[in-house]
Amino acid sequence: DGGITQSPKYLFRKEGQNVTLSCEQNLNHDAMYWYRQDPGQGLRLIYYSQIVNDFQKGDIAEGYSVSREKKESFPLTVTSAQKNPTAFYLCASRQGTSTGELFFGEGSRLTVL
Amino acid sequence: QKEVEQNSGPLSVPEGAIASLNCTYSDRGSQSFFWYRQYSGKSPELIMFIYSNGDKEDGRFTAQLNKASQYVSLLIRDSQPSDSATYLCAVMDSNYQLIWGAGTKLIIKP
Repeated sequence: DGGITQSPKYLFRKEGQNVTLSCEQNLNHDAMYWYRQDPGQGLRLIYYSQIVNDFQKGDIAEGYSVSREKKESFPLTVTSAQKNPTAFYLCASRQGTSTGELFFGEGSRLTVL
Repeated sequence: QKEVEQNSGPLSVPEGAIASLNCTYSDRGSQSFFWYRQYSGKSPELIMFIYSNGDKEDGRFTAQLNKASQYVSLLIRDSQPSDSATYLCAVMDSNYQLIWGAGTKLIIKP
């Protein structure tokens, strides 16, 4: 079945640690996105990539980094520079950059201890 | 800054009634409008999109768009308890980026 796989589903991090969230898609989509969602808030864009080896900062990129070495993969690293990383992280993809339907992974919930 | 506004709710509707969800947006250049449903702890899923002024119906769902007034709404007829969720409005801006509202929590009471 085609879809987006995020891992891990739950992750606990100590302060000062970097963690990497995995996102893999087999939909052959060009564009991939990382969003952060906090309780009672909408989705906020962290980074996005429209093509392999290229990505752009979203609205809240500080403290995060990404790579896009393969079309299928778009991992997100939450660095120790991110001051308040506890949140629900969503990876999404879409076929082109002008279509609206985003396909989401199941999400990764990160908690900082 | 481009904004999408939704009433956070919760909006409580009796089972079988019509639920009406509203969304306003600030960017007049927006062309595409989307409603996503998100169950608690889950990821959003697309339920409706609309591009043109007027109504668009899909089963029990109707999306309504009024570009002059810059609002889009979602009507859910014959509401069911399974419709209880948070509904996110998303607007595609002139740069093809999605701007998201904070969502309206809908509760359908049996």
